[in-house]
Amino acid sequence: EDQVTQSPEALRLQEGESSSLNCSYTVSGLRGLFWYRQDPGKGPEFLFTLYSAGEEKEKERLKATLTKKESFLHITAPKPEDSATYLCAVQGASKIIFGSGTRLSIRP
Amino acid sequence: GAVVSQHPSWVICKSGTSVKIECRSLDFQATTMFWYRQFPKQSLMLMATSNEGSKATYEQGVEKDKFLINHASLTLSTLTVTSAHPEDSSFYICSARDATSGFEQYFGPGTRLTVT
Repeated sequence: EDQVTQSPEALRLQEGESSSLNCSYTVSGLRGLFWYRQDPGKGPEFLFTLYSAGEEKEKERLKATLTKKESFLHITAPKPEDSATYLCAVQGASKIIFGSGTRLSIRP
Repeated sequence: GAVVSQHPSWVICKSGTSVKIECRSLDFQATTMFWYRQFPKQSLMLMATSNEGSKATYEQGVEKDKFLINHASLTLSTLTVTSAHPEDSSFYICSARDATSGFEQYFGPGTRLTVT
């Protein structure tokens, strides 16, 4: 059965404290793995697409990596404005599956 | 690029009435649009997928007669909640995809529906 699991459920960091969010997946026929950022009361904002193991994408303080079983979203020297829920989604052969998200909070 | 709008951003309606939510892709042609529902502190729940000019495909457990979806053009899809009840109160989000450029979905800002 296709499945996406994100961990941790919530993460609180001090400003400048780097960390990583995990997205583990099992899917038949991976078409792509996506990372989104969602602020409260808003729709998800697209961040990255990863297609194959070994691929990496970067945007400002965020870097996404992909293996055959999981993806990491690394956040380097985060700022309070990086606080949000980060969603991972996997597009399989027939449908997209979203993880439950990681709520990231950055304290100044 | 890849901007999706939704209207209204919030709506309050009385039980038994119907409400329509519009989803537009502003700068690309959306061959496929999706409708999601999200409860507080929970992830997205896919309700239905629609391709332009075709009938929507509903996920298991979603009442197609209650949640009417129309995707009449490459830039517009609508979700009509018919005979709304308080349990239909939720955050509804649409997304759009241009199949010619990949599998990424671009989301609208969402619509908060409150049924009194």
